[in-house]
Amino acid sequence: ETGVTQSPTHLIKTRGQQVTLRCSSQSGHNTVSWYQQALGQGPQFIFQYYREEENGRGNFPPRFSGLQFPNYSSELNVNALELDDSALYLCASRPGGVGFGYGYTFGSGTRLTVV
Amino acid sequence: EDQVTQSPEALRLQEGESSSLNCSYTVSGLRGLFWYRQDPGKGPEFLFTLYSAGEEKEKERLKATLTKKESFLHITAPKPEDSATYLCAVQAETSYDKVIFGPGTSLSVIP
Repeated sequence: ETGVTQSPTHLIKTRGQQVTLRCSSQSGHNTVSWYQQALGQGPQFIFQYYREEENGRGNFPPRFSGLQFPNYSSELNVNALELDDSALYLCASRPGGVGFGYGYTFGSGTRLTVV
Repeated sequence: EDQVTQSPEALRLQEGESSSLNCSYTVSGLRGLFWYRQDPGKGPEFLFTLYSAGEEKEKERLKATLTKKESFLHITAPKPEDSATYLCAVQAETSYDKVIFGPGTSLSVIP
């Protein structure tokens, strides 16, 4: 098992720019969720993908969008970056077809700073 | 609105000094409650899932319990390597995806 890997680890962007964050889910995991974690806070759910379809979304504006690819890797895209988008972005994966209580495997995250 | 709070915000223990972390939740029908551990610079690491009031789960020095409104994470004779932020999260019966996390408790265990 290789776990969940995210790239890049750190990123600095200017307000108004666009950013793409990438995630390779753990082998065999076809469900991927993205979270935003501000400093000192718990992770906040952005959205989830299952078999390349978005099947759940949290309270984030449409400028947050995503993709999941046939190999179950995933991207998070954020347009028109705002200063408040500065946070740790976490990707988490789990297998499909298991009980819901099966915990997610998280990556180490991408630290995004918007200046 | 579904919500999770945790207390204390931070806890400092001497090695071997047992204590408990609290997670209070409000959710429209609980599907399950999760505990995660997060080390600095890392993503959360799954510890337990609890499904119903009265349930208990144990792993090494950690024991999680669940009531209808709260969950406790008991730490027995902690060691410095137990130092981390402990996150509690809930999933509602009406949700097949969204997990709501609390703000976490930062635990420091001093040798």
